Amino acid sequence: AQKITQTQPGMFVQEKEAVTLDCTYDTSDQSYGLFWYKQPSSGEMIFLIYQGSYDEQNATEGRYSLNFQKARKSANLVISASQLGDSAMYFCAMREGRGSQGNLIFGKGTKLSVKP
Amino acid sequence: NAGVTQTPKFRILKIGQSMTLQCTQDMNHNYMYWYRQDPGMGLKLIYYSVGAGITDKGEVPNGYNVSRSTTEDFPLRLELAAPSQTSVYFCASSYRGRGSGNTIYFGEGSWLTVV
Repeated sequence: AQKITQTQPGMFVQEKEAVTLDCTYDTSDQSYGLFWYKQPSSGEMIFLIYQGSYDEQNATEGRYSLNFQKARKSANLVISASQLGDSAMYFCAMREGRGSQGNLIFGKGTKLSVKP
Repeated sequence: NAGVTQTPKFRILKIGQSMTLQCTQDMNHNYMYWYRQDPGMGLKLIYYSVGAGITDKGEVPNGYNVSRSTTEDFPLRLELAAPSQTSVYFCASSYRGRGSGNTIYFGEGSWLTVV
């Protein structure tokens, strides 16, 4: 079974509108972390936002927020006021448990295209 | 403000050749990783290290070797390159901490083509 599922291979959004990128995860650990990374066409992996499994508040970083629903095991990324520079691949990832090697498990990604 | 630096950025190898991808980080991170990313896919872990002198296999280790003689450096060795190793390789590092200190930082990637 996949540990990280991103069901949207591609998404379009109009510039200045908000967009939600979906991510569901599967783990039996009580302690875990959820991450979102952006990968523009140039290829680098850019860290966007982090949510810990014990964090009670949803994480926010500027225009990025993470809609964390623990019971549903979902960690959706919300980008407000989309900009043309937001066009990129977005990866959801999970880091499990205190005893693990700390590896990130990645989803297959969602390609976001922002239309002018 | 270097972070994670990996070289080379691009390389074409012939089948059967060997090469080393270099990776160094200046953040004093104890954890280091090598991932590969195939077209249209997420990243898969090749090898990782939790500290100098300690390495272990990830999900896709076959055809690769690593070493970690210092905290800063984590080179990835490809022996007898095969077309299946054509991919983009990312080195990454993190401090094993709580909260956002868990963040894994990536190098800019190395595009490798085996022909």
